[in-house]
Amino acid sequence: QQQVKQSPQSLIVQKGGISIINCAYENTAFDYFPWYQQFPGKGPALLIAIRPDVSEKKEGRFTISFNKSAKQFSLHIMDSQPGDSATYFCAASISTSGSRLTFGEGTQLTVNP
Amino acid sequence: GAGVSQSPSNKVTEKGKDVELRCDPISGHTALYWYRQSLGQGLEFLIYFQGNSAPDKSGLPSDRFSAERTGGSVSTLTIQRTQQEDSAVYLCATKDGPSTDTQYFGPGTRLTVL
Repeated sequence: QQQVKQSPQSLIVQKGGISIINCAYENTAFDYFPWYQQFPGKGPALLIAIRPDVSEKKEGRFTISFNKSAKQFSLHIMDSQPGDSATYFCAASISTSGSRLTFGEGTQLTVNP
Repeated sequence: GAGVSQSPSNKVTEKGKDVELRCDPISGHTALYWYRQSLGQGLEFLIYFQGNSAPDKSGLPSDRFSAERTGGSVSTLTIQRTQQEDSAVYLCATKDGPSTDTQYFGPGTRLTVL
């Protein structure tokens, strides 16, 4: 059972454009929703994260929008740069259950110069 | 400070052999996780250690997989009688205790079973 579904699988945007990646979850017990960025040959690195008590969190060019009633959350990358080209994973965890991460399938983002 | 380190970075083995993968956590991090990243299954949880508590082994795919964490620091993931479907990148992540959120990942060990 895939508890976190991510789309699109791949995304191509032009430099300066907005990249949007969406995730939907099933388990309402999830209480922590991070986004990870992964470059080839490297481990995932935390980009930004949110808890369900807020609807939006912004850090620089990266924003998470969270819709608790719809069980959906999304990552927006403003002013996308070629250096943002990477694979992005959404994830979810339950703080009281060891915080093991359940990941989405990943989105391969390419930002063309 | 130093991040999570894993060794070896690459491992090629023959089907049926045993392999050991090592994870050195960030100093002081009491929580340690193993994940597997494969083309068909994405990123999936394998096992979780927190301090001296019994590990959460619920993600281990078969009894050929085991892990230990000695002295609350270094962890070793062992795969016995490797199969071709075990080929994947094995990632270790650690965090600073049960009440913190951020998991820091190592670079992974790429395992290829021939």
